[in-house]
Amino acid sequence: ETGVTQTPRHLVMGMTNKKSLKCEQHLGHNAMYWYKQSAKKPLELMFVYNFKEQTENNSVPSRFSPECPNSSHLFLHLHTLQPEDSALYLCASSQATTENYGYTFGSGTRLTVV
Amino acid sequence: DAKTTQPTSMDCAEGRAANLPCNHSTISGNEYVYWYRQIHSQGPQYIIHGLKNNETNEMASLIITEDRKSSTLILPHATLRDTAVYYCIVRDVSSNTGKLIFGQGTTLQVKP
Repeated sequence: ETGVTQTPRHLVMGMTNKKSLKCEQHLGHNAMYWYKQSAKKPLELMFVYNFKEQTENNSVPSRFSPECPNSSHLFLHLHTLQPEDSALYLCASSQATTENYGYTFGSGTRLTVV
Repeated sequence: DAKTTQPTSMDCAEGRAANLPCNHSTISGNEYVYWYRQIHSQGPQYIIHGLKNNETNEMASLIITEDRKSSTLILPHATLRDTAVYYCIVRDVSSNTGKLIFGQGTTLQVKP
């Protein structure tokens, strides 16, 4: 257990479904991140939140909608996804977006879109 | 885009030292070198980071060349559980855009 908890661990959803991924950390960190890892590809940074404010959106399609209600929780709302969105979605947190701190990652949610 | 170059894959015998190289010839003065690893289908795990001095912790040692254009991660006594993808990342921690950007990494296979 790294201190960053992601639920669910596995999710299968149809293209017309709406679902949400949840990430929770109690490390006292102020920055949180969503990454996507498709099969045999590097991790791709999707969103960055710093003190609950979104500071980066890396041209992510609008069918992915992040939400950060407080510094401990991060959600990724999913709707009308495509099969190519099937991937491992990883959440991470850090003390801050700047400063010399590493990221702590969760174990990820394995998403399959059918 | 990742700013580092790593070999695609490496093998190491169990119990021997694993030396993983990384080139970062365009590194700037504000950029640190970070190493993470990812065991199959898990989240990446922080290993070590440094700016210009060599660093050591309970997991590994990081050797950075004097010109900072390359570095080597050393796992002193590799075990089968060290089999993973190892990522070398340069990160500007002074900038709001100083994010962790992952490349392809090196797949290390530790063999009995």
